Amino acid sequence: DQQVKQNSPSLSVQEGRISILNCDYTNSMFDYFLWYKKYPAEGPTFLISISSIKDKNEDGRFTVFLNKSAKHLSLHIVPSQPGDSAVYFCAASDGATNKLIFGTGTLLAVQP
Amino acid sequence: DGGITQSPKYLFRKEGQNVTLSCEQNLNHDAMYWYRQDPGQGLRLIYYSQIVNDFQKGDIAEGYSVSREKKESFPLTVTSAQKNPTAFYLCASSIGGTVSLSQGYTFGSGTRLTVV
Repeated sequence: DQQVKQNSPSLSVQEGRISILNCDYTNSMFDYFLWYKKYPAEGPTFLISISSIKDKNEDGRFTVFLNKSAKHLSLHIVPSQPGDSAVYFCAASDGATNKLIFGTGTLLAVQP
Repeated sequence: DGGITQSPKYLFRKEGQNVTLSCEQNLNHDAMYWYRQDPGQGLRLIYYSQIVNDFQKGDIAEGYSVSREKKESFPLTVTSAQKNPTAFYLCASSIGGTVSLSQGYTFGSGTRLTVV
């Protein structure tokens, strides 16, 4: 049973345009949500996070939006750059267990 | 510089052999984790440890074993009982066993295990 889902395995956008990566979850008890970026043969690196008490968090070109009623979050990257090409993982934290549960990832390709 | 070191980067194992993957951190983090990455399946939790000398099974612990004798070290043994061990293995750590909103988990660079 997949508690965190990323339904788009891949996404291709043009350099300078907006990239929108989506994530859905099923457990209403999740209290933190995080996005990680991963290059091939490397470990994931933390990108941005949001608490369940907020609906938006912004850090430079990256913004995460949380819609609790829809159990949906999204990562916006504006403007997209070729160096943003990577796999992006959505993760959710269950405060009761302090474990991170990851989605399946979305491969973003930013075309020059 | 503080961080997590996983070794080796690439590992080849023959059928029926046990192998041990190393994970060392100098971040003074209390909790450590092992994940496995397979294509199309994201990161799945194998084992985790909140404190020294204690660890718990994750979602896919069968065929794996761990130890946590020191705060800095959390080695993972892939035993011959693991039916499909070929995968990319990631070790991670976190402060105090809770998820930090400012950084989440810190990951190592991974070990690619291949059964030959």
